[in-house]
Amino acid sequence: AQTVTQSQPEMSVQEAETVTLSCTYDTSESDYYLFWYKQPPSRQMILVIRQEAYKQQNATENRFSVNFQKAAKSFSLKISDSQLGDAAMYFCAYKLVEYGNKLVFGAGTILRVKS
Amino acid sequence: NAGVTQTPKFQVLKTGQSMTLQCAQDMNHEYMSWYRQDPGMGLRLIHYSVGAGITDQGEVPNGYNVSRSTTEDFPLRLLSAAPSQTSVYFCASSYSSLTGAGNTIYFGEGSWLTVV
Repeated sequence: AQTVTQSQPEMSVQEAETVTLSCTYDTSESDYYLFWYKQPPSRQMILVIRQEAYKQQNATENRFSVNFQKAAKSFSLKISDSQLGDAAMYFCAYKLVEYGNKLVFGAGTILRVKS
Repeated sequence: NAGVTQTPKFQVLKTGQSMTLQCAQDMNHEYMSWYRQDPGMGLRLIHYSVGAGITDQGEVPNGYNVSRSTTEDFPLRLLSAAPSQTSVYFCASSYSSLTGAGNTIYFGEGSWLTVV
């Protein structure tokens, strides 16, 4: 079974600085997708960034980028120029290339942003 | 532009009562699924569907039933609620393509369920 591990229950960052959230996963498959979701206090699930395992290039979305290390099964999220609105729970998730939108989530990392 | 709509948003049940959480999407998505979120844990898959008339179990299916009679709706039924089912429930949907648009998964806003 696939598992996703987020080893940092909580992280803090100063406004305008950079923070990296860690995620590792366990799978024997070679074709899959990885996601980072943001969950603010409203509990809405917001897709931050997505990475296809077959792509070597790391995904980037504005201030958000990932460091995807397929051999190490590592998928970290870097947030640059942190803003107060970035404060939220962040979930790393994994999905096989198969029928059904079956996501496997990590336990989450709470990100606090200090002004 | 409704997206994925869940009702009710909040519900308090007594142990042993039954209820149905409703989920509807207006994007003609083939795939729909239900997750639960508990403190200290990420979302866990309860049941999922790959199309009308087709459902299957996820990681934590016990105590829940689902059916998919239309493309738009995917209700989750609790037949005899237990305190262990106190949780936040999320419905999600997506297209069926294995790549591209099929990996944009839309979530509802969540349903808070408390069983006393």
